[in-house]
Amino acid sequence: LAKTTQPISMDSYEGQEVNITCSHNNIATNDYITWYQQFPSQGPRFIIQGYKTKVTNEVASLFIPADRKSSTLSLPRVSLSDTAVYYCLVGDPIVRSRYGGSQGNLIFGKGTKLSVKP
Amino acid sequence: GAGVSQSPRYKVAKRGQDVALRCDPISGHVSLFWYQQALGQGPEFLTYFQNEAQLDKSGLPSDRFFAERPEGSVSTLKIQRTQQEDSAVYLCASSLGTGNSNQPQHFGDGTRLSIL
Repeated sequence: LAKTTQPISMDSYEGQEVNITCSHNNIATNDYITWYQQFPSQGPRFIIQGYKTKVTNEVASLFIPADRKSSTLSLPRVSLSDTAVYYCLVGDPIVRSRYGGSQGNLIFGKGTKLSVKP
Repeated sequence: GAGVSQSPRYKVAKRGQDVALRCDPISGHVSLFWYQQALGQGPEFLTYFQNEAQLDKSGLPSDRFFAERPEGSVSTLKIQRTQQEDSAVYLCASSLGTGNSNQPQHFGDGTRLSIL
């Protein structure tokens, strides 16, 4: 299973762009990179997913270099409400076992706690 | 609503009691996952269902933990003879995909279980 490394915490101010980088040196060929956001007392919420190059949606951008050994989540102009824990995940949530079945396969890690200050 | 619903939101039980946690996934979602999240940690995988079939239960910490999804929709996670170390938030997630899939998981807000 691909392991990820991301900073434990980051601080920012309102209106700034925040970039959170995740390392995943042993990412497999078929693995996607997915980011989730989690607020206190809530479940994780899907933000963005990508395989290579750049992906952008209404919330964030995801930059993936050619070697795919890292990825950067970019949050433009953060606000106080972006204070949360951000998880980088690599892999396929469901993989085929060698015997033809399927299994759960998603490892969250501890995530990056982003604190946005006024 | 159209999201994943979990009940109860909070559960307090005495050590040794049995508890049952319910998950209503998004309608039509084939895959259902249970996770355990300790304070300050990320969610940890417990078990996975594809429709009614429990295809992976490798994350269940002991045989006191049991999950079912008899009709391929609602799922129940049962913990027998609860221990204090079972105190955590239990999250349920569902996704549309099956097999090799990159469909994102949709999470409920969890059940916070406290064992006294």
